[in-house]
Amino acid sequence: AQKITQTQPGMFVQEKEAVTLDCTYDTSDQSYGLFWYKQPSSGEMIFLIYQGSYDEQNATEGRYSLNFQKARKSANLVISASQLGDSAMYFCAMRERHNTNAGKSTFGDGTTLTVKP
Amino acid sequence: EAGVTQSPTHLIKTRGQQATLRCSPISGHTSVYWYQQALGLGLQFLLWYDEGEERNRGNFPPRFSGRQFPNYSSELNVNALELEDSALYLCASSFGTGGSAFFGQGTRLTVV
Repeated sequence: AQKITQTQPGMFVQEKEAVTLDCTYDTSDQSYGLFWYKQPSSGEMIFLIYQGSYDEQNATEGRYSLNFQKARKSANLVISASQLGDSAMYFCAMRERHNTNAGKSTFGDGTTLTVKP
Repeated sequence: EAGVTQSPTHLIKTRGQQATLRCSPISGHTSVYWYQQALGLGLQFLLWYDEGEERNRGNFPPRFSGRQFPNYSSELNVNALELEDSALYLCASSFGTGGSAFFGQGTRLTVV
């Protein structure tokens, strides 16, 4: 069964420093996508970054990078140069492509990030 | 380019009634996903529509149903509303099952 684990319910980081949010996953599908989303207190889900299971390079989008370690089934999000506006809940998610769970995204429980001035 | 739009933003219903939530995907996206997010909790997958067909559903009772129209917009129907159905309902769209999914702003359903 597909499962996403985010072990850090809450994280604090000083403004302008980098922070890593952990995510491990479990799947039997060979083809899947991994996603990170940001959810501010307003409730909207903002897409941050995507990594395909066959992508050999780690994904990067501006200040966001995904540290993908396939053998360890790990997909950690790294935010560089944290800003006050980064304070939000962050969700890791996975979507399988081929088996009976195709299209059925699984989300982790989320990590609340607080950026301190 | 317009993002995913959902309507209404807020919806208040009484127990036993039916609720209808609507979602318009990003232009060109053929897949629409529905999720339920109860207060303070993570997202639970409800339904996935692609090319007008229901492709997969999560562990929700049959009173949660929906459809996708020829223009790829989608509707989520919740029948026989229960108090625990109160949640934020999020819709997302993607170009096929492999693409990145983008979310709408959600519909907050309150059942009283």
